Amino acid sequence: AQKVTQAQTEISVVEKEDVTLDCVYETRDTTYYLFWYKQPPSGELVFLIRRNSFDEQNEISGRYSWNFQKSTSSFNFTITASQVVDSAVYFCALSALIQGAQKLVFGQGTRLTINP
Amino acid sequence: GAVVSQHPSWVICKSGTSVKIECRSLDFQATTMFWYRQFPKQSLMLMATSNEGSKATYEQGVEKDKFLINHASLTLSTLTVTSAHPEDSSFYICSARFLTGPREQYFGPGTRLTVT
Repeated sequence: AQKVTQAQTEISVVEKEDVTLDCVYETRDTTYYLFWYKQPPSGELVFLIRRNSFDEQNEISGRYSWNFQKSTSSFNFTITASQVVDSAVYFCALSALIQGAQKLVFGQGTRLTINP
Repeated sequence: GAVVSQHPSWVICKSGTSVKIECRSLDFQATTMFWYRQFPKQSLMLMATSNEGSKATYEQGVEKDKFLINHASLTLSTLTVTSAHPEDSSFYICSARFLTGPREQYFGPGTRLTVT
């Protein structure tokens, strides 16, 4: 199966707290890509990161960091010192070969609310 | 770079009429564009894959005669909702992928369709 699970439907924290969004995936592909997208209230999905299945190095970009672990099929996203502007729905996605075409399989999304 | 535009951003139409939504990649060429539908507080549902110069590939359960897709050039794909009904009201989002190179999809800002 090609599947992405984001078990946390909603998360609410107070500003400046650290928060981790979980993502677990299933795939039969040996080569695949994982992504995180942010969807603010405006609706437009913003690309955050792409990770190749061969590259398990963690990545940090400012307050954002990602932990990719193939052993547990997880690709978790951490926001450090959260800010109100981080409030959005975050989607984890898997690029999978489905019926001969590369498609994005999205998780259900995690609605993150940062309270002042 | 990698900007995708959609027009219109919102539209209200009467039941029985048709509505056309345009998706353009502004600063890159895309042989493949995707059309998604998103219901409130839900994830994105892939409707179809639009390939330049060929027929679109529809996902199971999506009526091809109702959702007409045309991909006339490397920068433009259109989705026409024909004979719209209130149940077609939704948020429609397109995305585009680079001709070569990175595999992430870049998303348009979405079109909110309301059928009265």
